[in-house]
Amino acid sequence: DIVMTQSPLSLPVSLGEPASISCRCSQSLLYSNGYNYLDWYLQRPGQPPQLLIYLGSKRAPGVPDRFSGSGSGTDFTLKISRVEAEDVGVYYCMQAQQTPPYTFGQGTKLEIK
Amino acid sequence: QVRLQESGPRLVKPSETLSLTCTVSGGFSEIYYWTWVRQSPGKGLEWVGYTYYSGNTDYNPSLKSRVTITEDASKHQFSMNLDSVTAADTAVYYCARGNLGLDGYNLIYWGQGIPVIVSS
Repeated sequence: DIVMTQSPLSLPVSLGEPASISCRCSQSLLYSNGYNYLDWYLQRPGQPPQLLIYLGSKRAPGVPDRFSGSGSGTDFTLKISRVEAEDVGVYYCMQAQQTPPYTFGQGTKLEIK
Repeated sequence: QVRLQESGPRLVKPSETLSLTCTVSGGFSEIYYWTWVRQSPGKGLEWVGYTYYSGNTDYNPSLKSRVTITEDASKHQFSMNLDSVTAADTAVYYCARGNLGLDGYNLIYWGQGIPVIVSS
């Protein structure tokens, strides 16, 4: 199985400041079609996860443009340009290749400083 | 609008079978990958498995010998059975609608989750 490793695991950020989360995969998620099969999810307190980013860098419908995804192969980053109060929660990366099993990172808890 | 709702017992005894059902409104189709994900207390997310194309299934290898996922399209439902549960199976269980294609595998629609405790 592909192992997903996130850092940091805890991320205190002041409102209006940027934030960055790293996700490293034990195998490349870059396919021959040029796509990276990596999703990012946000789980707000008491809520199910919400898809933010798919294919490494594409925002899901309705996701604000302050969220951006980048990276390729085994190293990926989720960035928030200016953190808002509603961004509090746990962020997970997930390898989204076309065959299971699908595995998540350990999660990064973002809180307001 | 697509909505998913989990139902089932919230307390299960060790060694028994956990049975959960997900009822889908707003669109039940074989083109989707009807998925179960669980989250143990204080821990992260674990993909359990899915059913697709009217009965095909794939499971997490760590659970494969104990889990069965089925669908009933006539009732717009899909279900999960987990056999021989232990305390380690205590978790919030989510059902979700998965897409799998050129965009990879992603889960846009989720149920609210059902907490299940395994205890005697």
